Amino acid sequence: QVQLQQSGPGLVKPSQTLSLTCAISGDSVSSNSAAWNWIRQSPSRGLEWLGRTYYKSKWYYDYAVSVKSRITVNPDTSKNQFSLQLNSVTPEDTAVYYCARARITSDWSTLFDYWGQGTLVTVSS
Amino acid sequence: DIQLTQSPSFLSAFVGDRVTITCRASQGIISSLAWYQQKPGKAPKLLIFGASTLQGGVPSRFSGSGSGTEFTLTISSLQPEDFATYYCQQLHTYPPSFGQGTRLEIK
Repeated sequence: QVQLQQSGPGLVKPSQTLSLTCAISGDSVSSNSAAWNWIRQSPSRGLEWLGRTYYKSKWYYDYAVSVKSRITVNPDTSKNQFSLQLNSVTPEDTAVYYCARARITSDWSTLFDYWGQGTLVTVSS
Repeated sequence: DIQLTQSPSFLSAFVGDRVTITCRASQGIISSLAWYQQKPGKAPKLLIFGASTLQGGVPSRFSGSGSGTEFTLTISSLQPEDFATYYCQQLHTYPPSFGQGTRLEIK
Protein backbone atom coordinates (compact mmCIF):
# COMPACT_ATOMS: atom_id res chain seq x y z
CA GLN A 1 0.00 0.00 0.00
CA VAL A 2 1.46 3.33 -1.08
CA GLN A 3 1.38 6.14 1.44
CA LEU A 4 2.40 9.75 0.95
CA GLN A 5 3.14 11.90 4.01
CA GLN A 6 3.43 15.63 3.54
CA SER A 7 5.35 18.04 5.73
CA GLY A 8 6.12 21.74 5.67
CA PRO A 9 5.02 25.09 7.06
CA GLY A 10 1.45 26.29 6.85
CA LEU A 11 2.28 29.98 6.79
CA VAL A 12 4.57 31.74 4.33
CA LYS A 13 5.20 35.47 3.98
CA PRO A 14 4.62 37.22 0.64
CA SER A 15 7.68 37.20 -1.67
CA GLN A 16 9.20 34.26 0.21
CA THR A 17 9.51 30.60 -0.84
CA LEU A 18 6.93 27.92 -0.15
CA SER A 19 8.61 24.57 0.57
CA LEU A 20 6.86 21.24 1.07
CA THR A 21 8.10 17.66 1.21
CA CYS A 22 6.29 14.42 0.41
CA ALA A 23 7.70 11.22 1.93
CA ILE A 24 6.90 8.02 0.05
CA SER A 25 6.31 4.58 1.52
CA GLY A 26 5.31 1.49 -0.42
CA ASP A 27 6.91 2.72 -3.65
CA SER A 28 10.10 4.36 -4.86
CA VAL A 29 10.62 7.88 -6.12
CA SER A 30 12.90 6.25 -8.73
CA SER A 31 10.18 3.88 -9.96
CA ASN A 32 9.93 3.54 -13.74
CA SER A 33 6.15 3.28 -13.52
CA ALA A 34 5.23 6.32 -11.46
CA ALA A 35 5.38 10.09 -11.61
CA TRP A 36 5.40 12.27 -8.52
CA ASN A 37 3.17 15.30 -8.64
CA TRP A 38 2.12 18.43 -6.80
CA ILE A 39 -1.47 19.66 -7.09
CA ARG A 40 -3.13 22.54 -5.27
CA GLN A 41 -6.74 23.40 -4.52
CA SER A 42 -8.30 26.75 -3.80
CA PRO A 43 -11.87 28.09 -4.03
CA SER A 44 -10.88 30.44 -6.84
CA ARG A 45 -8.78 28.06 -8.96
CA GLY A 46 -10.21 24.64 -8.09
CA LEU A 47 -7.84 21.69 -8.49
CA GLU A 48 -4.73 22.85 -10.30
CA TRP A 49 -1.86 20.59 -11.31
CA LEU A 50 1.48 22.30 -10.66
CA GLY A 51 4.30 19.97 -11.64
CA ARG A 52 5.89 16.55 -11.51
CA THR A 53 9.10 14.57 -11.63
CA TYR A 54 9.67 11.05 -12.85
CA TYR A 55 12.52 8.73 -13.69
CA LYS A 56 12.97 6.88 -16.99
CA SER A 57 16.70 6.33 -17.37
CA LYS A 58 17.10 9.94 -16.31
CA TRP A 59 15.05 12.43 -14.34
CA TYR A 60 12.32 14.44 -16.03
CA TYR A 61 10.52 17.52 -14.82
CA ASP A 62 7.28 19.07 -16.09
CA TYR A 63 5.64 22.23 -14.82
CA ALA A 64 2.39 24.10 -15.35
CA VAL A 65 2.79 27.22 -17.48
CA SER A 66 1.11 29.30 -14.76
CA VAL A 67 3.94 28.67 -12.27
CA LYS A 68 6.81 27.57 -14.52
CA SER A 69 9.07 30.52 -13.70
CA ARG A 70 8.68 30.00 -9.94
CA ILE A 71 8.48 26.25 -9.30
CA THR A 72 10.93 23.44 -8.67
CA VAL A 73 10.03 19.81 -7.97
CA ASN A 74 12.96 17.71 -6.81
CA PRO A 75 13.38 14.03 -6.01
CA ASP A 76 15.47 12.92 -3.03
CA THR A 77 16.44 9.31 -3.59
CA SER A 78 18.34 9.01 -0.30
CA LYS A 79 15.16 9.72 1.67
CA ASN A 80 12.64 8.37 -0.88
CA GLN A 81 10.77 11.64 -1.05
CA PHE A 82 10.20 14.60 -3.32
CA SER A 83 9.75 18.28 -2.71
CA LEU A 84 8.02 21.39 -3.96
CA GLN A 85 9.52 24.85 -3.94
CA LEU A 86 7.43 27.80 -5.11
CA ASN A 87 9.25 31.12 -5.14
CA SER A 88 8.00 34.67 -4.81
CA VAL A 89 4.64 33.69 -3.40
CA THR A 90 1.66 36.05 -3.21
CA PRO A 91 -1.68 35.70 -1.41
CA GLU A 92 -3.00 34.13 -4.63
CA ASP A 93 -0.83 31.09 -3.85
CA THR A 94 -2.86 30.41 -0.70
CA ALA A 95 -4.29 26.93 -1.17
CA VAL A 96 -4.31 23.35 0.04
CA TYR A 97 -1.30 21.65 -1.54
CA TYR A 98 -1.34 17.92 -2.27
CA CYS A 99 1.35 15.54 -3.41
CA ALA A 100 0.12 12.67 -5.54
CA ARG A 101 1.43 9.61 -7.33
CA ALA A 102 0.49 9.13 -10.97
CA ARG A 103 0.65 5.66 -12.36
CA ILE A 104 2.48 5.57 -15.69
CA THR A 105 0.98 3.10 -18.14
CA SER A 106 1.05 2.72 -21.89
CA ASP A 107 -2.15 4.79 -22.00
CA TRP A 108 -1.71 7.50 -19.38
CA SER A 109 0.81 9.19 -17.13
CA THR A 110 -1.49 11.51 -15.18
CA LEU A 111 -3.84 9.16 -13.33
CA PHE A 112 -3.55 10.16 -9.67
CA ASP A 113 -4.09 7.02 -7.62
CA TYR A 114 -2.50 7.96 -4.30
CA TRP A 115 -2.59 11.35 -2.60
CA GLY A 116 -0.97 12.93 0.42
CA GLN A 117 -3.10 14.29 3.23
CA GLY A 118 -2.89 17.89 2.04
CA THR A 119 -1.27 20.96 3.59
CA LEU A 120 -3.08 24.26 3.89
CA VAL A 121 -0.54 26.94 3.04
CA THR A 122 -1.51 30.52 3.76
CA VAL A 123 0.49 33.36 2.25
CA SER A 124 0.24 36.31 4.61
CA SER A 125 2.46 38.76 6.41
CA ASP B 1 -5.40 23.17 -22.62
CA ILE B 2 -8.54 21.04 -22.35
CA GLN B 3 -11.39 22.53 -20.32
CA LEU B 4 -13.81 20.28 -18.43
CA THR B 5 -17.29 21.49 -17.48
CA GLN B 6 -19.33 19.56 -14.96
CA SER B 7 -23.08 19.77 -14.48
CA PRO B 8 -24.79 20.32 -12.23
CA SER B 9 -22.48 22.19 -9.87
CA PHE B 10 -24.75 21.29 -6.95
CA LEU B 11 -27.08 18.35 -6.49
CA SER B 12 -29.41 17.51 -3.64
CA ALA B 13 -30.75 13.96 -3.35
CA PHE B 14 -32.17 11.38 -0.97
CA VAL B 15 -30.49 8.22 0.26
CA GLY B 16 -31.45 5.51 -2.21
CA ASP B 17 -31.77 7.86 -5.20
CA ARG B 18 -30.03 7.30 -8.51
CA VAL B 19 -27.96 10.31 -9.55
CA THR B 20 -25.99 11.23 -12.63
CA ILE B 21 -23.24 13.82 -13.01
CA THR B 22 -22.06 14.98 -16.43
CA CYS B 23 -18.61 16.10 -17.53
CA ARG B 24 -18.09 17.74 -20.92
CA ALA B 25 -14.66 18.23 -22.48
CA SER B 26 -13.75 21.16 -24.72
CA GLN B 27 -12.28 18.72 -27.24
CA GLY B 28 -12.36 14.99 -27.79
CA ILE B 29 -10.47 12.91 -25.25
CA ILE B 30 -11.59 9.41 -26.36
CA SER B 31 -12.06 7.56 -23.05
CA SER B 32 -9.25 9.26 -21.15
CA LEU B 33 -11.28 10.46 -18.19
CA ALA B 34 -11.17 9.81 -14.46
CA TRP B 35 -13.59 10.55 -11.63
CA TYR B 36 -12.65 11.40 -8.06
CA GLN B 37 -14.62 11.73 -4.83
CA GLN B 38 -13.58 14.28 -2.22
CA LYS B 39 -14.94 14.59 1.31
CA PRO B 40 -14.39 17.71 3.44
CA GLY B 41 -10.84 18.01 4.73
CA LYS B 42 -9.65 14.99 2.73
CA ALA B 43 -7.73 14.43 -0.48
CA PRO B 44 -9.56 13.37 -3.62
CA LYS B 45 -10.02 9.62 -3.99
CA LEU B 46 -9.83 7.91 -7.37
CA LEU B 47 -13.11 6.18 -8.27
CA ILE B 48 -13.07 5.51 -12.00
CA PHE B 49 -10.52 5.73 -14.80
CA GLY B 50 -10.65 5.11 -18.52
CA ALA B 51 -14.18 6.56 -18.33
CA SER B 52 -15.70 3.32 -17.02
CA THR B 53 -13.16 1.18 -15.11
CA LEU B 54 -13.72 1.04 -11.37
CA GLN B 55 -10.67 1.50 -9.18
CA GLY B 56 -10.12 -1.42 -6.81
CA GLY B 57 -12.32 -1.31 -3.71
CA VAL B 58 -14.87 1.12 -5.17
CA PRO B 59 -18.47 -0.10 -4.70
CA SER B 60 -20.27 -1.32 -7.78
CA ARG B 61 -23.05 1.24 -7.33
CA PHE B 62 -20.63 3.68 -8.97
CA SER B 63 -20.38 3.52 -12.75
CA GLY B 64 -18.99 5.68 -15.50
CA SER B 65 -19.68 5.96 -19.19
CA GLY B 66 -19.00 8.09 -22.22
CA SER B 67 -16.35 8.85 -24.78
CA GLY B 68 -15.24 11.75 -26.90
CA THR B 69 -16.51 14.90 -25.22
CA GLU B 70 -19.37 13.77 -22.97
CA PHE B 71 -19.08 11.57 -19.89
CA THR B 72 -21.28 10.59 -16.98
CA LEU B 73 -20.80 9.33 -13.45
CA THR B 74 -23.79 7.47 -12.06
CA ILE B 75 -24.44 6.36 -8.51
CA SER B 76 -27.21 3.78 -8.66
CA SER B 77 -28.46 3.96 -5.07
CA LEU B 78 -27.04 6.72 -2.92
CA GLN B 79 -25.62 5.75 0.44
CA PRO B 80 -24.96 8.21 3.29
CA GLU B 81 -21.19 7.96 2.71
CA ASP B 82 -21.58 9.06 -0.93
CA PHE B 83 -22.43 12.64 -0.06
CA ALA B 84 -19.29 14.46 -1.18
CA THR B 85 -17.89 16.52 -4.05
CA TYR B 86 -17.09 14.76 -7.32
CA TYR B 87 -14.49 15.84 -9.88
CA CYS B 88 -13.69 14.67 -13.37
CA GLN B 89 -10.15 14.84 -14.77
CA GLN B 90 -8.87 14.37 -18.29
CA LEU B 91 -5.93 12.04 -18.86
CA HIS B 92 -5.67 12.62 -22.58
CA THR B 93 -3.27 15.51 -22.96
CA TYR B 94 -0.70 17.34 -20.94
CA PRO B 95 -1.25 19.27 -18.74
CA PRO B 96 -3.88 17.32 -16.79
CA SER B 97 -6.99 19.31 -15.95
CA PHE B 98 -9.98 18.92 -13.64
CA GLY B 99 -13.63 19.89 -13.75
CA GLN B 100 -14.89 22.47 -11.28
CA GLY B 101 -16.67 19.85 -9.16
CA THR B 102 -20.21 18.73 -8.34
CA ARG B 103 -21.26 18.96 -4.73
CA LEU B 104 -23.72 16.23 -3.76
CA GLU B 105 -25.74 16.89 -0.61
CA ILE B 106 -28.41 15.04 1.33
CA LYS B 107 -31.96 16.28 0.78
